[in-house]
Amino acid sequence: EDQVTQSPEALRLQEGESSSLNCSYTVSGLRGLFWYRQDPGKGPEFLFTLYSAGEEKEKERLKATLTKKESFLHITAPKPEDSATYLCAARILGNTPLVFGKGTRLSVIA
Amino acid sequence: DAGVIQSPRHEVTEMGQEVTLRCKPISGHDYLFWYRQTMMRGLELLIYFNNNVPIDDSGMPEDRFSAKMPNASFSTLKIQPSEPRDSAVYFCASSTLGLEDTQYFGPGTRLTVL
Repeated sequence: EDQVTQSPEALRLQEGESSSLNCSYTVSGLRGLFWYRQDPGKGPEFLFTLYSAGEEKEKERLKATLTKKESFLHITAPKPEDSATYLCAARILGNTPLVFGKGTRLSVIA
Repeated sequence: DAGVIQSPRHEVTEMGQEVTLRCKPISGHDYLFWYRQTMMRGLELLIYFNNNVPIDDSGMPEDRFSAKMPNASFSTLKIQPSEPRDSAVYFCASSTLGLEDTQYFGPGTRLTVL
């Protein structure tokens, strides 16, 4: 069964304390790995798509990386406004929908 | 662009009542997706359309759920009759190239069935 697992479920950081969120996947052929940010009461907002192992993408304080088994979302010197739930989703072979993880709730404390 | 528009934003109803959720996708997007999000199960795809035609409805939980897309700018998700276990946040998303492409989500409808 195709699965996407995110860890930790929740993460609390001090402002400026860098860390990483993990997204591990067991899918039958990865076509793409998506990262989304979701603020309370809002829909997920697209951040990145990664397609192949070794690929990296950056946006402000966020950097996403991909290996053959997992993806990491690195947050450098986070600020309180980075607090949100971060979701990853895998696009697999065939005409199948995205498989979403349950997300990591990030809280950045000033 | 206004983004994906959903209405209502909040819906409270009683068990057994009919509920209709509405979505207007981003103009020019040929694909429309309906998702349900709960704490227990996360984000689940219910159904998606391409050019107004339902492509995959395997995620629709029961016959009580139905979705339509009468034209390129409007879709509805209907639950009849509603049950307390249907309480969740329902999202609509749209994209240009379907499953390969970035999906843009609406703000969601929080449904509470008493």
